[in-house]
Amino acid sequence: GAGVSQTPSNKVTEKGKYVELRCDPISGHTALYWYRQSLGQGPEFLIYFQGTGAADDSGLPNDRFFAVRPEGSVSTLKIQRTERGDSAVYLCASSLTASNEQFFGPGTRLTVL
Amino acid sequence: AQSVTQLDSQVPVFEEAPVELRCNYSSSVSVYLFWYVQYPNQGLQLLLKYLSGSTLVKGINGFEAEFNKSQTSFHLRKPSVHISDTAEYFCAVVRDSNYQLIWGAGTKLIIKP
Repeated sequence: GAGVSQTPSNKVTEKGKYVELRCDPISGHTALYWYRQSLGQGPEFLIYFQGTGAADDSGLPNDRFFAVRPEGSVSTLKIQRTERGDSAVYLCASSLTASNEQFFGPGTRLTVL
Repeated sequence: AQSVTQLDSQVPVFEEAPVELRCNYSSSVSVYLFWYVQYPNQGLQLLLKYLSGSTLVKGINGFEAEFNKSQTSFHLRKPSVHISDTAEYFCAVVRDSNYQLIWGAGTKLIIKP
C-alpha cells in the first residue's frame, strides 16, 4: 500500500515569507508526528497528533510554527515569518497508534534564503 | 532526560568486510531501542528494534544489534557489507509507554570497493 507522502519535496523561500508543508499519512494511522532534521544531525521531535488533536507540541521551537490535522488524516505544518535558521528537512511519520512503529515520509527540504 | 550518542559520524569499510556502528544511550528508565536507515534521497526506514526479551535482535538486510543494559549500548553489526548498504544509520530510543523518539546524530556508512 501507499506509504507516507510529503509535499513539496523541496521548498525554497525568502526570509520573512510564510510556508506550508503537507503530510499524507498511511490510511488508518491515528498517530502522526512531525520532526525536523538539520544538516549533520538526527531528527528532532516537533509535534505529535493523536487523531485531530495535537497531543504534544512541546517540540515546536516558537510560536511561528503551527500544525493542524483537521480531519485526523492529512496534516499541514505552517511556518510564519521564516528565518534562515528554519532551513532543514521536515519529516513526517505516522503510526497505527502511538505505541506502534513509526513510518516516515521522504521529507520536505526547506531552504530559506 | 534521555540522550543518544553515536560515536562515529562516518565509518568507511571495504565491501564484504564486517562493520559495527556504535550507539550509546543514557536513560534512568526502561527504553525501547531502534536503528533506522536512510538511503540517499529516501525516507527513514526501520532496520530493527529492541522492545524486550532476547538482547540480540535481527533486522532486515542481514543487520543485527545487541542490547547491553550494563553498558547502555545498542551497537549495530553486519558480518559482510555490500555496496547497497551505503546509507546513513540512526539510533533512536523511546521511553516505554511514550512515543517521542530521541535520536542520535547519525553515522554515514561508506562502502569502499
